[in-house]
Amino acid sequence: EVQLVESGGDLVQPGGSLRLSCAASGFTFSSYWMSWVRQAPGKGLEWVANIKQDGTEKYYVDSVKGRFTISRDNAKNSLYLQMNSLRAEDTAIYYCAGVIETKWEPYDYWGQGTLVTVSS
Amino acid sequence: DIQLTQSPSFLSASVGDRVTITCRASQGISSFLAWYQQKPGKAPKLLIYAASTLQSGVPSRFSGSGSGTEFTLTISSLQPEDFATYYCQQLNSYPPTFGGGTKVEIK
Repeated sequence: EVQLVESGGDLVQPGGSLRLSCAASGFTFSSYWMSWVRQAPGKGLEWVANIKQDGTEKYYVDSVKGRFTISRDNAKNSLYLQMNSLRAEDTAIYYCAGVIETKWEPYDYWGQGTLVTVSS
Repeated sequence: DIQLTQSPSFLSASVGDRVTITCRASQGISSFLAWYQQKPGKAPKLLIYAASTLQSGVPSRFSGSGSGTEFTLTISSLQPEDFATYYCQQLNSYPPTFGGGTKVEIK
């Protein structure tokens, strides 16, 4: 059974940093693209970033470029999102999602999400 | 970026009703469109991909159609477990944007 379990969400001050993790199990992690999608409280879904199987391709939504970095450790079956220079508008539930063979596929697996709150 | 506009943003319906949700893209996206269902406090669930292909395990009362810039999600006979928020997502070009969502509530 595919499982994606996020962790690392917390309350952080504006300008601060946070690193989210996603522990994957039930599938060959190194064979799939992975993504982060976020959802601000009471709002819709926003794709944040994704990463190729070997980490050689990464894509970001414009609003996080230069501040967020997606990475993965295939040996540890883990996906990460390093978030720097956090802003109030980054407050959201962050979902690990994907398990897709190409970057053009929809997301049939999602984690339960981890809450990031950016506030002073 | 490609913008997706869903309508309506909210609808009130009764069990057994036929419900249609529309998703319009700001430019042509062929059939690279997916639909998700999200219930409160839960992660989204993939319902339909490639505009009209039902994801495995999804009830056949859900169907999708369209291509280019206009797409629809139809629930043929609304069931109590279908009350949720529905989102479309385009996968034709990056970033893979989502529509604003349609909340389906009990009348």
